Amino acid sequence: AQTVTQSQPEMSVQEAETVTLSCTYDTSENNYYLFWYKQPPSRQMILVIRQEAYKQQNATENRFSVNFQKAAKSFSLKISDSQLGDTAMYFCAFMKHTGANSKLTFGKGITLSVRP
Amino acid sequence: ETGVTQSPTHLIKTRGQQVTLRCSSQSGHNTVSWYQQALGQGPQFIFQYYREEENGRGNFPPRFSGLQFPNYSSELNVNALELDDSALYLCASSLLAGAKNIQYFGAGTRLSVL
Repeated sequence: AQTVTQSQPEMSVQEAETVTLSCTYDTSENNYYLFWYKQPPSRQMILVIRQEAYKQQNATENRFSVNFQKAAKSFSLKISDSQLGDTAMYFCAFMKHTGANSKLTFGKGITLSVRP
Repeated sequence: ETGVTQSPTHLIKTRGQQVTLRCSSQSGHNTVSWYQQALGQGPQFIFQYYREEENGRGNFPPRFSGLQFPNYSSELNVNALELDDSALYLCASSLLAGAKNIQYFGAGTRLSVL
């Protein structure tokens, strides 16, 4: 079974600054996907960024980038130039690289507050 | 917007009652997954439906059941409601084995059991 751990329950960052959210996971799989989802107060889970485990290059999406360390089973999210709209809960999630039963396993989440 | 819609947005039930939650998947998607999110926690996988068949189930009792229809929309049914069933229920649609394997979520149904 896979587990995802987000050990920081809350973080705060000043607008325009950079913040890093941590995530570790445990799996015996070699091929898998990792995701960061954002859940604002509106409740809708929004995909932020996705990483395929077989790719060594870290994924980037505009102001969002990841530091994927496969051997250490670590997958952190860096948000650059933080904006007020980044205030939300952020969830790290794992998915096996198989078509059947492609469920997401989530961490407990971290609440990020961006201060003006 | 993800194109995934859920209804109703809020629901209040009493213990022992039954409830049905609905989800319309994004156009072109053939798979719907349901998750339960307790307050302050990450979502927990309930089950997944692919082409109208259950395609995997999490650690939830049989009183949690589902359906997927030919248009790929889906229902989650919960019988004999318990207080601990109070949660946000999320559905996510995807294209099984499609490119990127991304699940797109609806805004959820908030269920309160009194």
